[in-house]
Amino acid sequence: AQSVTQLGSHVSVSEGALVLLRCNYSSSVPPYLFWYVQYPNQGLQLLLKYTSAATLVKGINGFEAEFKKSETSFHLTKPSAHMSDAAEYFCAVTEGYSSASKIIFGSGTRLSIRP
Amino acid sequence: ETGVTQSPTHLIKTRGQQVTLRCSSQSGHNTVSWYQQALGQGPQFIFQYYREEENGRGNFPPRFSGLQFPNYSSELNVNALELNDSALYLCASRAGTVSGANVLTFGAGSRLTVL
Repeated sequence: AQSVTQLGSHVSVSEGALVLLRCNYSSSVPPYLFWYVQYPNQGLQLLLKYTSAATLVKGINGFEAEFKKSETSFHLTKPSAHMSDAAEYFCAVTEGYSSASKIIFGSGTRLSIRP
Repeated sequence: ETGVTQSPTHLIKTRGQQVTLRCSSQSGHNTVSWYQQALGQGPQFIFQYYREEENGRGNFPPRFSGLQFPNYSSELNVNALELNDSALYLCASRAGTVSGANVLTFGAGSRLTVL
């Protein structure tokens, strides 16, 4: 069964600094991977997705993630943090496109931005 | 196009009671998934419905049940509520097309408090 592990439940960076949120996955077949963001009292919003095309995926709000099969990783980065990036970030994995595919989420990383 | 809407947004129940949560999926989406998000945790997969049939279930007891209707809206029912059922319940829908099949659109959630 597929799973994801997010290293670091809380990450704090200064405004303008690099953001790096870590995600490692486990999957028996080539996975499809996602990053979602959740702002307080809201649902989850898709940031970006990897679907076996380019290994470097660009998303919204300046975020990007790189799929590394050898490391089973899909880390999320942003070159320069903004105060508005403060939120909870979730990595997710699924193993197919079928209607029966389950999308499984990690435990999340809370990103705080210091002025 | 309308997004995913959930109702009610907040509710309080007592232990042993039953609750029904409702979800209207995004237009064109035929698959609905339900997730439980406890405070400070990632969304846990409860089950999903495709064309009115349950076609995937997570590690939740049978007192968690659901329905999907011909218009693809959905209900989550929880019987014999327990204190640890207190959580944010998220509904997410996705399209049946290959290009969009794995991208979940989330509602804002229903926050359940069990006293």
